Amino acid sequence: AQSVTQPDIHITVSEGASLELRCNYSYGATPYLFWYVQSPGQGLQLLLKYFSGDTLVQGIKGFEAEFKRSQSSFNLRKPSVHWSDAAEYFCAMKGMNTGFQKLVFGTGTRLLVSP
Amino acid sequence: GAGVSQSPSNKVTEKGKDVELRCDPISGHTALYWYRQSLGQGLEFLIYFQGNSAPDKSGLPSDRFSAERTGGSVSTLTIQRTQQEDSAVYLCASSLGFTGAPDTQYFGPGTRLTVL
Repeated sequence: AQSVTQPDIHITVSEGASLELRCNYSYGATPYLFWYVQSPGQGLQLLLKYFSGDTLVQGIKGFEAEFKRSQSSFNLRKPSVHWSDAAEYFCAMKGMNTGFQKLVFGTGTRLLVSP
Repeated sequence: GAGVSQSPSNKVTEKGKDVELRCDPISGHTALYWYRQSLGQGLEFLIYFQGNSAPDKSGLPSDRFSAERTGGSVSTLTIQRTQQEDSAVYLCASSLGFTGAPDTQYFGPGTRLTVL
């Protein structure tokens, strides 16, 4: 079965500090991987995605993520957090077989930014 | 360009009533998806449309839920005889829809449904 795990429900980070949000997946091959962000009352905004190639991918708003096949992980990082980054972050995957188009989401990590 | 739009943004209804939620995808996107976001279940896939192909309805939770997509563009999700457990945010997404190739889904702002 395909699944995505985000082990941290909440994370609090001081403004200016670095951030790492964890994501692990379960799938029989290399999936397509995504990180989305959701601000209160808003839809999901795509931060970045990994399809193939370079395992370190850059996204919007200064975020990056690294795909590690050996650990089945796709952790999201940012070197310096801003108060506006407070939101909920979702990791998602999609299988590579043609007929499987739905995204499977993790349960999300809520980021709180302290002054 | 314009993103995915959804209407209404909020809907309050009484138990047992039918509701219709609308999604307008990004122009040129042939694939359209509905997801549900609820406190207890997280983000769940409901249904997927790709061009003129038969939709993938594998995520619909019951036969009270149905969806259609007219003219390959606008989609309507209908919930009949609403129940309190249907209360959730319903998110629509669209993508270019290239089969066999990586594809990115872009989400609308969602419709918050409250069933009293």
